[in-house]
Amino acid sequence: AQTVTQSQPEMSVQEAETVTLSCTYDTSESDYYLFWYKQPPSRQMILVIRQEAYKQQNATENRFSVNFQKAAKSFSLKISDSQLGDAAMYFCAYRSRGGSEKLVFGKGTKLTVNP
Amino acid sequence: GAGVSQTPSNKVTEKGKYVELRCDPISGHTALYWYRQSLGQGPEFLIYFQGTGAADDSGLPNDRFFAVRPEGSVSTLKIQRTERGDSAVYLCASSPAALYGYTFGSGTRLTVV
Repeated sequence: AQTVTQSQPEMSVQEAETVTLSCTYDTSESDYYLFWYKQPPSRQMILVIRQEAYKQQNATENRFSVNFQKAAKSFSLKISDSQLGDAAMYFCAYRSRGGSEKLVFGKGTKLTVNP
Repeated sequence: GAGVSQTPSNKVTEKGKYVELRCDPISGHTALYWYRQSLGQGPEFLIYFQGTGAADDSGLPNDRFFAVRPEGSVSTLKIQRTERGDSAVYLCASSPAALYGYTFGSGTRLTVV
């Protein structure tokens, strides 16, 4: 079974600075998807960024980018020019490309943005 | 609708009671998922519907949990003989097809006292 590990329960960053959230995963599959989700106090999970394992190029969405290291099974999220609205829980998630469509989540990292 | 709607937003029930949690997905989304999020944890998969049928129910913890989606749209998660350990946020998500990204609802916070 696949597992996702987020080793940083909490992180903090100054407004306008850059922060990197870590995620590692374990799988025997070669083709899969990886995601970062943001969960504010409203509880709704919001997709931040998605990476397909067969693509070598790291995904980027505006201020959010990933460092995908397939051999190391590492998938970190970099947030540039941090804003107060970025404060939330961030979850890393894995999904197989075939078979079950379920997401496997890590335990999350709580990000605080200081003004 | 514009988003995934879950009702009620919060539910408090007594141990041993039966509860139903409702999920109204985005119109036209064929795939629907239920997850459970305990305090301090990431969401855990419960069940996945493709249309009316449960394509994967491997995450349901025991036979007290059951979910239906009779007309391929609204889904209901049913929990019998609730236990205090069932207290969690229950999240629903939908997508237009299994390979696309999910849209999550805001969840139902279930508290069993």
